[in-house]
Amino acid sequence: GENVEQHPSTLSVQEGDSAVIKCTYSDSASNYFPWYKQELGKRPQLIIDIRSNVGEKKDQRIAVTLNKTAKHFSLHITETQPEDSAVYFCAASRVGDMRFGAGTRLTVKP
Amino acid sequence: GAVVSQHPSRVICKSGTSVKIECRSLDFQATTMFWYRQFPKQSLMLMATSNEGSKATYEQGVEKDKFLINHASLTLSTLTVTSAHPEDSSFYICSARTGRNSEAFFGQGTRLTVV
Repeated sequence: GENVEQHPSTLSVQEGDSAVIKCTYSDSASNYFPWYKQELGKRPQLIIDIRSNVGEKKDQRIAVTLNKTAKHFSLHITETQPEDSAVYFCAASRVGDMRFGAGTRLTVKP
Repeated sequence: GAVVSQHPSRVICKSGTSVKIECRSLDFQATTMFWYRQFPKQSLMLMATSNEGSKATYEQGVEKDKFLINHASLTLSTLTVTSAHPEDSSFYICSARTGRNSEAFFGQGTRLTVV
């Protein structure tokens, strides 16, 4: 089955700096890669996603890149703000299956 | 976005009893629902994938007789923890997809405590 690895497990940055979270997947059939943000005590919420026919997608301060050949994808957050502090999960998905990485706890220091 | 409602949000039960958790998609039909278990400060561990009208697919190591999953309709999936024990205490969360390979929306989760 699919195996998703996510790094780093924790990340601390100064407000205004950029943050990068990386994930790798194993199943070449995976073709949809969402990223979720989970704040303390809340449910995970989708923040951005990318499909395998696209190499990069951007939404304001958030961007995701995908390298299908290498089977890795990354989340980039620029100009970080304290409210970006949360746990971020990557996922690799195909029809009938969605697997998550172990999560990255991002702390943005004011 | 689409809304997924999970009930109850918290439940305390005695060891040996069974607990049922419901996951409903309120404004869309979900052909696939996922059940996860989340330990404190840890990731979402996929327990099973539930497809409407068919048997759930369980992940390796998850006891299907202990964690009964029923997906009787396109808007409801249930997880029943049978003969619960303290080690089953955890946060259980479901998600539902709007399409075959689309975004998944999460329920608010259920904190199960077995005493």
